[in-house]
Amino acid sequence: DTGVSQNPRHKITKRGQNVTFRCDPISEHNRLYWYRQTLGQGPEFLTYFQNEAQLEKSRLLSDRFSAERPKGSFSTLEIQRTEQGDSAMYLCASSSALAGVPDTQYFGPGTRLTVL
Amino acid sequence: AQSVSQHNHHVILSEAASLELGCNYSYGGTVNLFWYVQYPGQHLQLLLKYFSGDPLVKGIKGFEAEFIKSKFSFNLRKPSVQWSDTAEYFCAVNGGSSNTGKLIFGQGTTLQVKP
Repeated sequence: DTGVSQNPRHKITKRGQNVTFRCDPISEHNRLYWYRQTLGQGPEFLTYFQNEAQLEKSRLLSDRFSAERPKGSFSTLEIQRTEQGDSAMYLCASSSALAGVPDTQYFGPGTRLTVL
Repeated sequence: AQSVSQHNHHVILSEAASLELGCNYSYGGTVNLFWYVQYPGQHLQLLLKYFSGDPLVKGIKGFEAEFIKSKFSFNLRKPSVQWSDTAEYFCAVNGGSSNTGKLIFGQGTTLQVKP
């Protein structure tokens, strides 16, 4: 299966700790997206990359959050000084975007973060 | 700002019943519209999408959706549901002209199909 993969699948941490999640997109997909989903809600956009460039960040992405995609392949999302409100499912999606053509995003299984 | 509203939060149907899930969006320009499904314990999967052309689009597993521009709607339908359709369904939109790809999701509809 060459779908989007995310690691770890579950993460439990104590408040104030830093956590890092990894996303491996579908091979050769040039766009990579991060979303956050809380219980009973739809996913909310956090940020996205086209190749290695981070092109848009949501206001939801506070200064405690940082994302990278250093070589235009996998991406990491780091949360510093975690808070209980950060508990959520963090979803990654990838797509193959061409100029002027709508893209279709394919989602990974997510990383469920629980902050105690 | 773009927003998506799914009016039915929880729907319970018996097998073979017909399904229609509502989705309305607020965006004045060109839009691309999607329905995703999340089966229990699985990740989000694309059911169908509308970019342009025929406003009636067909997706996987017998689902279809109709884009009605004048009503800003993209309702999902299936003539006869099965127990295996039990899942959470999400409508999503992005603004086609900007092509950032960022999806705005509705809050989802949980469908429970009784055997």
